[in-house]
Amino acid sequence: EPEVTQTPSHQVTQMGQEVILRCVPISNHLYFYWYRQILGQKVEFLVSFYNNEISEKSEIFDDQFSVERPDGSNFTLKIRSTKLEDSAMYFCASSGGPTWGEKLFFGSGTQLSVL
Amino acid sequence: SQQGEEDPQALSIQEGENATMNCSYKTSINNLQWYRQNSGRGLVHLILIRSNEREKHSGRLRVTLDTSKKSSSLLITASRAADTASYFCATDALDNNNDMRFGAGTRLTVKP
Repeated sequence: EPEVTQTPSHQVTQMGQEVILRCVPISNHLYFYWYRQILGQKVEFLVSFYNNEISEKSEIFDDQFSVERPDGSNFTLKIRSTKLEDSAMYFCASSGGPTWGEKLFFGSGTQLSVL
Repeated sequence: SQQGEEDPQALSIQEGENATMNCSYKTSINNLQWYRQNSGRGLVHLILIRSNEREKHSGRLRVTLDTSKKSSSLLITASRAADTASYFCATDALDNNNDMRFGAGTRLTVKP
């Protein structure tokens, strides 16, 4: 079965450093998402992406965050200057559509630790 | 912002018993979905129920939706130890571009 892949599985960084989290969504999907989950807490929406642009972003997704789909396969989340509170598990998800709100396929996540 | 809220936060049952988890939400939706998460892993889609549906079954799962009460329930029948996981409901909302928003989940423990 096709799956969403995320790399790396773990990322440790120093506060203030830039990180890029990478995702390869399912190949024929059209809608892409980033969520994050602080340990044991709720899964928080960060951003959705469709047709090469951000569709919606949450209040968490401030100017330090950006997303990009540089080619036909990768979908990246960049955090420009990491803060301690950015430590979380970051999940990429994709969905085939044809409308919003369809079943999401999640990757296994990248555990980001900011020291 | 729109999101589901699960209840209870944690549930512990014996193998073979049924587990019922509830979800409430605030605004009108197109659909409601339930996901499962094993510890430290990604979420896996279980079942989707649309706003014009009242009940849906998939194997040992039964989901109900009451749009008048803005609530849903997930019933797992004849639970197994392998059902131990966190269960999340997710809702889209007609006023937030239909992105799926999740609650805090119910942590289910099934004791063998």
